[in-house]
Amino acid sequence: ETGVTQSPTHLIKTRGQQVTLRCSSQSGHNTVSWYQQALGQGPQFIFQYYREEENGRGNFPPRFSGLQFPNYSSELNVNALELDDSALYLCASSRQGRVGEKLFFGSGTQLSVL
Amino acid sequence: DAKTTQPPSMDCAEGRAANLPCNHSTISGNEYVYWYRQIHSQGPQYIIHGLKNNETNEMASLIITEDRKSSTLILPHATLRDTAVYYCIVSDSNTGTASKLTFGTGTRLQVTL
Repeated sequence: ETGVTQSPTHLIKTRGQQVTLRCSSQSGHNTVSWYQQALGQGPQFIFQYYREEENGRGNFPPRFSGLQFPNYSSELNVNALELDDSALYLCASSRQGRVGEKLFFGSGTQLSVL
Repeated sequence: DAKTTQPPSMDCAEGRAANLPCNHSTISGNEYVYWYRQIHSQGPQYIIHGLKNNETNEMASLIITEDRKSSTLILPHATLRDTAVYYCIVSDSNTGTASKLTFGTGTRLQVTL
């Protein structure tokens, strides 16, 4: 059983650029969620994808968008990068609809915006 | 989701039990209590969850008070590898966004020799 994998592990961008982060979900999981974790803070929910559609979103602007593919892998896209977007971006997978479901997180992508 | 309150930091000697408290006084009847931990430079790791009854697994025990307004995570024999930030979260797993967890700043547990 493979775990959640994210790529790349580290990324440096400049303000105004666009970035795409990738996530492969754990085997057997069909739901992917993304979190942003600023330094010294807990992770903050960005959005969740289930059956290739966004079905839940946190307090993030539209320039944060995503995709989920038929194999349940996912991408997080951030347009017009700002300095405050510098953070650890975490992907988590789960099996939707199971009572008391738990999330399995990847190790994250560390994004630095200069 | 209900808000949780945790002490910012705790210390524990290796081999002793670590008892991490969490207050969630506004929890509603269908909200679960989850515990995750995050070791430096890694993603959060699920530990345990419960609704009303106390729970135990290979990692830890979860004690929930009868009124459900607080809980305690117990690591029975803490090791240096248990040094991490521990997050207590309450979440309604019956909603469509079951993976929406509201993390606070957690408790930083330092296990020492």
